[in-house]
Amino acid sequence: DAGITQSPRYKITETGRQVTLMCHQTWSHSYMFWYRQDLGHGLRLIYYSAAADITDKGEVPDGYVVSRSKTENFPLTLESATRSQTSVYFCASSGWTSSDTQYFGPGTRLTVL
Amino acid sequence: QKEVEQDPGPLSVPEGAIVSLNCTYSNSAFQYFMWYRQYSRKGPELLMYTYSSGNKEDGRFTAQVDKSSKYISLFIRDSQPSDSATYLCAMSAKGKLIFGQGTELSVKP
Repeated sequence: DAGITQSPRYKITETGRQVTLMCHQTWSHSYMFWYRQDLGHGLRLIYYSAAADITDKGEVPDGYVVSRSKTENFPLTLESATRSQTSVYFCASSGWTSSDTQYFGPGTRLTVL
Repeated sequence: QKEVEQDPGPLSVPEGAIVSLNCTYSNSAFQYFMWYRQYSRKGPELLMYTYSSGNKEDGRFTAQVDKSSKYISLFIRDSQPSDSATYLCAMSAKGKLIFGQGTELSVKP
């Protein structure tokens, strides 16, 4: 089905482990985004990408790494997970400009023990 | 001070009520204004999208933007239990969306 998907939907890991969250979109959208959502903070931008091989930091990038070798995929890696990274992570994509409507995936609920 | 301020609620209303949700902002460069609806354990979905000042209506929903006051609103008429969700305002400038905290709305039958 067309759309934007995220995997896994739920993940429990331990402090210090590396974790990769996957995001895939079928619209060939140029822009892709990673957000985290926490109580009291709303949605905060972690990283975004304007096209394959072009990425940039958002509001809260520390502790995260992204890559975008293909237009349709935008994985987010936590190199050494910390408890403060326990959150719900949303991937989003938008069309030709970053001001276009963003379409969100269903989210990944990550717990770091 | 946050760039976008939104009362987190929660807001509880009876079915059929008119609901008013609001956000204020400080960055005069914002040009695109959006409202997203997020059901529990789901991703946000776009509800309304406006450019610059003015009103936009879509069924029971009306979005208002007042750039002179740096204030946006979402009105829901004849609210339904299915409208129970978190509503997030979002604003765009220089390519990034800035979200409000979201207002949790509950419409009681």
